[in-house]
Amino acid sequence: AQSVTQPDIHITVSEGASLELRCNYSYGATPYLFWYVQSPGQGLQLLLKYFSGDTLVQGIKGFEAEFKRSQSSFNLRKPSVHWSDAAEYFCALNNAGNMLTFGGGTRLMVKP
Amino acid sequence: DAGVTQSPTHLIKTRGQQVTLRCSPKSGHDTVSWYQQALGQGPQFIFQYYEEEERQRGNFPDRFSGHQFPNYSSELNVNALLLGDSALYLCASSTPDRGTGELFFGEGSRLTVL
Repeated sequence: AQSVTQPDIHITVSEGASLELRCNYSYGATPYLFWYVQSPGQGLQLLLKYFSGDTLVQGIKGFEAEFKRSQSSFNLRKPSVHWSDAAEYFCALNNAGNMLTFGGGTRLMVKP
Repeated sequence: DAGVTQSPTHLIKTRGQQVTLRCSPKSGHDTVSWYQQALGQGPQFIFQYYEEEERQRGNFPDRFSGHQFPNYSSELNVNALLLGDSALYLCASSTPDRGTGELFFGEGSRLTVL
């Protein structure tokens, strides 16, 4: 069975510092992977996606993620965090037919 | 171009009642999926509709049912509400291009069951 794990429930970083959010997955084939962001009271916005090819993918808002098959990971990074990045971040896996399996989420807080 | 729209945005029900939530997909999309997001958790897949039929279903009881209309809009119905049904219900739309998995989400309907 497929699963997605986000080991960090909460992360706090200072504004301007770099950020890495961890995501590990379990799936028997090549996964389609996604990162979504959710601001309080809002729906989910797609940050980036990995289907195949280049393992480093660029997304919106200056985010990037790297797919590492050997580690079953798809970590999200940003070189310099802005206060507006404070939100909940979800990693997700598409196993078949556009059905997403989500991780439990990581809540990012940004210190001024 | 309107994105995915959901209604109502908030509602309060009591145990045992029934609720209907509505979703209009993004223009050009014909597949609608529903997700339940409990407080502090990631979204959980409920079911997906395509061509007015339920195509996939997650691990949810039969109290959860749905419908898709010819214009691709969809409804989620929950009968015999339980306290544990309190959650944000998210609708997502996509094209039937299987494998890409790019979903567009609405802002959700927040259901509180008292």
